Amino acid sequence: DAMVIQNPRYQVTQFGKPVTLSCSQTLNHNVMYWYQQKSSQAPKLLFHYYDKDFNNEADTPDNFQSRRPNTSFCFLDIRSPGLGDAAMYLCATSTKGGIYSNQPQHFGDGTRLSIL
Amino acid sequence: AQTVTQSQPEMSVQEAETVTLSCTYDTSESDYYLFWYKQPPSRQMILVIRQEAYKQQNATENRFSVNFQKAAKSFSLKISDSQLGDAAMYFCALKGGATNKLIFGTGTLLAVQP
Repeated sequence: DAMVIQNPRYQVTQFGKPVTLSCSQTLNHNVMYWYQQKSSQAPKLLFHYYDKDFNNEADTPDNFQSRRPNTSFCFLDIRSPGLGDAAMYLCATSTKGGIYSNQPQHFGDGTRLSIL
Repeated sequence: AQTVTQSQPEMSVQEAETVTLSCTYDTSESDYYLFWYKQPPSRQMILVIRQEAYKQQNATENRFSVNFQKAAKSFSLKISDSQLGDAAMYFCALKGGATNKLIFGTGTLLAVQP
């Protein structure tokens, strides 16, 4: 089935050690999103790509970066993870994003990041 | 700024009964879209139902329906004939017309009692 796949499901890293989370999609959607979701909280948008155009949220820390080498893949890089970065990271996609689009976002299972 | 408020952190319903989850929102957009997403424990967030603001008719998807009150900026979700598999966190979300962004509420954790 077409879907959004996040790897790994669980990631453990050390304080300050760079980590990369990956997301792939078979939906051929042109918009990809990264969210951070802490326990019992709503997902918080970090940034999104509309095709190759990167859109960063104003309050996303500089510690968080993203890459989208092609339509199918998108990566979240955390350069120097702190204890406060422990969270579930959700990837989502949508088609025809932008003005007056009612297309829903399709989410992956998420990657739960722990910091030691 | 756009906001979404879910005032019920937790709800409980008996199996086969009906439950309504509340959501209010605020936006200055004239065109916008509203969604309810379901997130079961340790599982994927999935779309339950969506509503276009320009449509007066309330959306329905099988046992799920909404009560969309545009003037009151209210968008509640009704689950009929509740099933054990409905137990999950439910998020109300708003998408303004001229943006890709989804604004989520804080969620309502629904428990279904057998």
